Amino acid sequence: EAQVTQNPRYLITVTGKKLTVTCSQNMNHEYMSWYRQDPGLGLRQIYYSMNVEVTDKGDVPEGYKVSRKEKRNFPLILESPSPNQTSLYFCASSRRTVQETQYFGPGTRLLVL
Amino acid sequence: GEDVEQSLFLSVREGDSSVINCTYTDSSSTYLYWYKQEPGAGLQLLTYIFSNMDMKQDQRLTVLLNKKDKHLSLRIADTQTGDSAIYFCAERGSSASKIIFGSGTRLSIRP
Repeated sequence: EAQVTQNPRYLITVTGKKLTVTCSQNMNHEYMSWYRQDPGLGLRQIYYSMNVEVTDKGDVPEGYKVSRKEKRNFPLILESPSPNQTSLYFCASSRRTVQETQYFGPGTRLLVL
Repeated sequence: GEDVEQSLFLSVREGDSSVINCTYTDSSSTYLYWYKQEPGAGLQLLTYIFSNMDMKQDQRLTVLLNKKDKHLSLRIADTQTGDSAIYFCAERGSSASKIIFGSGTRLSIRP
């Protein structure tokens, strides 16, 4: 089954404790992206990747890192999480460019205390 | 900068039509999208329209685009309880690398 998976689905952590949210897709997609969803703000793009070893900042990259060492995986890294990073995070992928259908993961709900 | 706006809430009676509206600012938009998010789930692409089209129909869904006014709407005919969700309007901005999302419209259905 074609899908985007994220882990963990739910996470509670404390300020400053490094964490990684994994994202994996099995569709051989080149384009992958991370978004955060906050009430009243919709989805805002954090980082995106056009292909392996090619990543770039989205609209709200501060406090986040990503890597794209292989095509299927695009982890989101919070080196020192802060409470303002409490949010719902979505990973998405599409075949090539973002104009093609984006497939979204189920989301990761993060609470930073 | 690029911006997409939509109202936060819409309530309709079951069986009626729902119309969700959206405005955007990027006049160079080439693709406009409607996504649906059901509770606890990710976003699902419902439909999209090219900027050179005025209308697109797909079963119960009708998308209207007024490029002059930068206004996009999604009409859901014969709204059912399963249509309860948050609907996001989105546009592909002048950059080919990202989509700009609106804040989402929560559609609730009254019996």
